[in-house]
Amino acid sequence: QKEVEQNSGPLSVPEGAIASLNCTYSDRGSQSFFWYRQYSGKSPELIMFIYSNGDKEDGRFTAQLNKASQYVSLLIRDSQPSDSATYLCAVTPGGTSYGKLTFGQGTILTVHP
Amino acid sequence: GAGVSQTPSNKVTEKGKYVELRCDPISGHTALYWYRQSLGQGPEFLIYFQGTGAADDSGLPNDRFFAVRPEGSVSTLKIQRTERGDSAVYLCASSPSGGLGEQYFGPGTRLTVT
Repeated sequence: QKEVEQNSGPLSVPEGAIASLNCTYSDRGSQSFFWYRQYSGKSPELIMFIYSNGDKEDGRFTAQLNKASQYVSLLIRDSQPSDSATYLCAVTPGGTSYGKLTFGQGTILTVHP
Repeated sequence: GAGVSQTPSNKVTEKGKYVELRCDPISGHTALYWYRQSLGQGPEFLIYFQGTGAADDSGLPNDRFFAVRPEGSVSTLKIQRTERGDSAVYLCASSPSGGLGEQYFGPGTRLTVT
């Protein structure tokens, strides 16, 4: 079992729809959770981070965390073609006090006009 | 303000050669991380610096890889006797503190070993 799992996609949604990206992790002690966006040929760009169970909203983005289910998701409302990218989920391992991130393989999102 | 910078952006080298990759973190960031990303995969952790010291080098694949951060700012990743399997994008990230907070990535160095 991979430590951080994401559906590789591609996930295709029409412009204006809600895109839902999911991530599961195996380490019950994980404390910090991050979503990065990566355009082709570019480096990861931080979108959201969440530490506590529940929802965290920032503009069109909402991160959701459920530690009991070891599940974190990212919702993108009113999706735009410019949102087309690979979305990486990253978590910090339990038992550490620093950001040694473990990444999933990423989900490719395509937003079509 | 200025983000994380990495040089060179691309490096092509022959198998067996030595290479150095440089990372200049965001000013004031005390934590610095190196990751490696292969095509179609997420980044993989290599090493973590808090200040000048390597606090966790457990991700370095073998003893051909070494990294330094002598003054607590710029870091250099050094790879000896390069192999074709070392070809990847090497990413550097910095964080304001040594905790579990957010990390900001540089543009990366694409290393190709021929």
